[in-house]
Amino acid sequence: GAVVSQHPSWVICKSGTSVKIECRSLDFQATTMFWYRQFPKQSLMLMATSNEGSKATYEQGVEKDKFLINHASLTLSTLTVTSAHPEDSSFYICSARRDRGTYEQYFGPGTRLTVT
Amino acid sequence: GNSVTQMEGPVTLSEEAFLTINCTYTATGYPSLFWYVQYPGEGLQLLLKATKADDKGSNKGFEATYRKETTSFHLEKGSVQVSDSAVYFCALKNIGNEKLTFGTGTRLTIIP
Repeated sequence: GAVVSQHPSWVICKSGTSVKIECRSLDFQATTMFWYRQFPKQSLMLMATSNEGSKATYEQGVEKDKFLINHASLTLSTLTVTSAHPEDSSFYICSARRDRGTYEQYFGPGTRLTVT
Repeated sequence: GNSVTQMEGPVTLSEEAFLTINCTYTATGYPSLFWYVQYPGEGLQLLLKATKADDKGSNKGFEATYRKETTSFHLEKGSVQVSDSAVYFCALKNIGNEKLTFGTGTRLTIIP
């Protein structure tokens, strides 16, 4: 099957620091990846669409300078939360869209970020 | 805009019970509808989907029928197992648009 990994699975950082989250498609190529944010008892909210070799497309209300996305290869996208604040604490989930076949999105297990 | 409303959980059932998780949607046009499942410690997995009215998606004993007249896509299973314990998400996507709109998720626990 198609597997997507995220690293780290959880991270704690201090206010004002930056933290990077990696999303990898392990056994398929993904030109397009997606980053979601999930608050407790709420649905997944799409933050941005990441395209290999080009700039990410951010959803309305998402600060592009706050959430930096880099999609440097067909199997790796990174999300960097810059100058993190406690309100950035959340569960971040990525998905990767397979380049062939059904173009289905495959989801990573998520990263729990806690900013103290 | 698009929205998905699904049954609030948590839902607890005994093994072999009948399951229904309600999902209704609001969307422009004719969206595709999905159910995703998230097992503990894992990513969301596509459980089933339907792309047009009256289509029935099915997988692993679960079924859902795309009802345009009631804008619903309720998930059902006739006899649940302990291994079905997970969080279930209803979602939709418009044709030609990659963006998935999710419901809030329903946590299902099956007790032996």
